[in-house]
Amino acid sequence: SQTIHQWPATLVQPVGSPLSLECTVEGTSNPNLYWYRQAAGRGLQLLFYSVGIGQISSEVPQNLSASRPQDRQFILSSKKLLLSDSGFYLCAWSLTGGSQPQHFGDGTRLSIL
Amino acid sequence: ILNVEQSPQSLHVQEGDSTNFTCSFPSSNFYALHWYRWETAKSPEALFVMTLNGDEKKKGRISATLNTKEGYSYLYIKGSQPEDSATYLCARNSGNTPLVFGKGTRLSVIA
Repeated sequence: SQTIHQWPATLVQPVGSPLSLECTVEGTSNPNLYWYRQAAGRGLQLLFYSVGIGQISSEVPQNLSASRPQDRQFILSSKKLLLSDSGFYLCAWSLTGGSQPQHFGDGTRLSIL
Repeated sequence: ILNVEQSPQSLHVQEGDSTNFTCSFPSSNFYALHWYRWETAKSPEALFVMTLNGDEKKKGRISATLNTKEGYSYLYIKGSQPEDSATYLCARNSGNTPLVFGKGTRLSVIA
């Protein structure tokens, strides 16, 4: 069966520090991968998605970036965090195709001080 | 950007009551409508994916319908139980475009 691992579960970082959140999927090949953020009082906002190694699509301009160095690894990064980067970050995967459900990781609660 | 709207924003019902909520979306270039349940301290879990106008899906006491021509979907819960308390998210896409999520309906079932 397929599993998705996302870490860390919680993170407290000072403004201006770098960020690296990692997500890995097991039990499937060539999944679509996604990074979402839920800011306070808002819905799930898609940040990045990837349909293959090295292929990243950005949905929202910001100071975050994503990379997919391996088929089942998706990394969310920032060189300098802003206060507005606080939120709950979710990684997800799906099989290819718009009618395939997405499967989410447990999320990372990021607090910027 | 495709706006997906959900109503109500939150809902409190008594245990045993049946309830429903709405997801509305642009009907043009429609491909699929997804429903997810997001319980506190857990990750969102897929409930249904529907693609055809008139689709109706059921999972235990929860069911969903889809009207792609007018751009809405209803989620129904029959005989609500405390364990149904969660945020219910709907999301919509066009072909291979990513999902656009609504803000969710937060359901609280009071025992």
